[in-house]
Amino acid sequence: DQQVKQNSPSLSVQEGRISILNCDYTNSMFDYFLWYKKYPAEGPTFLISISSIKDKNEDGRFTVFLNKSAKHLSLHIVPSQPGDSAVYFCAASRTGNQFYFGTGTSLTVIP
Amino acid sequence: DVKVTQSSRYLVKRTGEKVFLECVQDMDHENMFWYRQDPGLGLRLIYFSYDVKMKEKGDIPEGYSVSREKKERFSLILESASTNQTSMYLCASRSPFRGYTFGSGTRLTVV
Repeated sequence: DQQVKQNSPSLSVQEGRISILNCDYTNSMFDYFLWYKKYPAEGPTFLISISSIKDKNEDGRFTVFLNKSAKHLSLHIVPSQPGDSAVYFCAASRTGNQFYFGTGTSLTVIP
Repeated sequence: DVKVTQSSRYLVKRTGEKVFLECVQDMDHENMFWYRQDPGLGLRLIYFSYDVKMKEKGDIPEGYSVSREKKERFSLILESASTNQTSMYLCASRSPFRGYTFGSGTRLTVV
């Protein structure tokens, strides 16, 4: 059973606007969350993380929000740029060793 | 920065062949992982290893085996390749605070 879900397979956003990518998880024991970005024919690259002791983490244009009660996290990209067009995966872990991945959301930023 | 190197970017193999996918990391990490990525299914864990000669099954180990004879090298073996093993294979090494560092991936086609 999928423990981490990304219900939107794709998202299109105008350049300069906000992109919001969503992720839900089912295991309340997860305590560490990551977002990865993946271009075609390349491996995923780490983007941003958040631990369960926080509800927000910000790094430049990227902010991750965690709502533990709803078992939901989101990634905000502001402002969105064409180079942000990629597949975004969220991942969750309980021990920090094995991560469970969502199915990915393909973001297209339209110039 | 940790570097994870996968020996082949693209491979084409015939049904029934034995296939070796090699992965090397250069930071003396103990934990290494093999995932496959398929459209709509995200990243699924095949096998992982916490140390030399140690291996654990992931979520989809059937049809695969692994070898970890040296700390830096983690090999994935397809004992008898089948067409449903056509996929993108991603090797990862566990990095502190950043989850995984992934290799560039191997796109395997079984014909």
